[in-house]
Amino acid sequence: SQQGEEDPQALSIQEGENATMNCSYKTSINNLQWYRQNSGRGLVHLILIRSNEREKHSGRLRVTLDTSKKSSSLLITASRAADTASYFCATDNYGQNFVFGPGTRLSVLP
Amino acid sequence: DTGVSQDPRHKITKRGQNVTFRCDPISEHNRLYWYRQTLGQGPEFLTYFQNEAQLEKSRLLSDRFSAERPKGSFSTLEIQRTEQGDSAMYLCASSLTTGGARTLFFGSGTQLSVL
Repeated sequence: SQQGEEDPQALSIQEGENATMNCSYKTSINNLQWYRQNSGRGLVHLILIRSNEREKHSGRLRVTLDTSKKSSSLLITASRAADTASYFCATDNYGQNFVFGPGTRLSVLP
Repeated sequence: DTGVSQDPRHKITKRGQNVTFRCDPISEHNRLYWYRQTLGQGPEFLTYFQNEAQLEKSRLLSDRFSAERPKGSFSTLEIQRTEQGDSAMYLCASSLTTGGARTLFFGSGTQLSVL
């Protein structure tokens, strides 16, 4: 069964607004990663946060990790229409495999 | 193009036929993964290889599914006696370790439709 669970399942915002997506997981992890998928394409790695980190930034992306609550959030600031995609969190279970959640479908309206 | 390559991009087959998909990973990546994704869901792990060794295959959906990676380069995923429930996107990824952490590089996938 999938370990990560994203929330919300779908999110619709206006260009320029911020988008926040949450992810919960069940077991201990080595790191947590966020990926993006445009319709009908493969996934693209966005950002990685290690289990001993609490926050990480990359451009317009900000990721937080709370290992005590087994949860993570991805914030996209100043969203653009091109950010429209599905976003998935994936947990790295100490190198065995990566477990993905069902994803959040983000629509950014111009 | 030095990314992960999957072939074919689309495959339409009739129920009961066998299908084989190919994945060419990024050349310096030693790990290769296969995932299945159905509409509206996240990728579901199937199997992975380190070089030519298949280290995890218990998640393959049934004994109709098999994967190989001869010589630790490209990989193939075969589905025998396809069923309509096998219709999905099959994704391949390879991984690189950077600073002690692995990240996945995905191909564009093979969309399988079983009629």
